[in-house]
Amino acid sequence: GPKVLQIPSHQIIDMGQMVTLNCDPVSNHLYFYWYKQILGQQMEFLVNFYNGKVMEKSKLFKDQFSVERPDGSYFTLKIQPTALEDSAVYFCASSPGLGGNTLYFGAGTRLSVL
Amino acid sequence: GDSVTQKQGQVTLSEDDFLFINCTYSTTTYPTLFWYVQYPGQGPQLLLKVTTANNKGISRGFEATYDKGTTSFHLQKASVQESDSAVYFCALVHIASSSFSKLVFGQGTSLSVVP
Repeated sequence: GPKVLQIPSHQIIDMGQMVTLNCDPVSNHLYFYWYKQILGQQMEFLVNFYNGKVMEKSKLFKDQFSVERPDGSYFTLKIQPTALEDSAVYFCASSPGLGGNTLYFGAGTRLSVL
Repeated sequence: GDSVTQKQGQVTLSEDDFLFINCTYSTTTYPTLFWYVQYPGQGPQLLLKVTTANNKGISRGFEATYDKGTTSFHLQKASVQESDSAVYFCALVHIASSSFSKLVFGQGTSLSVVP
């Protein structure tokens, strides 16, 4: 089936540094998402993105977070500066359309903030 | 706001046992309902979805019925196998005509099937 690729699979970083998580979504999809999952728990919505804009973000999407997809390249999540509580697995997802369309998830990037 | 509740955090069964995972939802409109399955080290992947109330979704021996009356979408399987061991997430999408929708997940139920 459709594949979403996330790079890297694991990132270790010191608190206060910047980190960029990369996502290569399914090629013809238009809608992109980031989710956060702590220790195999609930998947928590962070943000969704369409046509170069953030459409909706949750309370978890702090001011230190930003997303972009310059010129159809990777869809990125940047955290600057990082905090200890940012340690989690971050999942990227994409979908072809709105509403009941299926989201396709990547395998996740495990972020460890020391 | 929209929410999904899975009361069972962990379920342990033997092979060929019957599986039942509870899911209830709360929303102001008529959502599309999903079950996603997450295997270790992977992202969630779609197991089944149902867009219309009172319909049933079936996939790989799993089934779930969209019950608007009880606002439930329980997952069942007649006979589980060891390979079904994974975390199962119930989820909904709130279909809004003008706004951008997102997938809302339940807490997840970890299924362990022992030989």
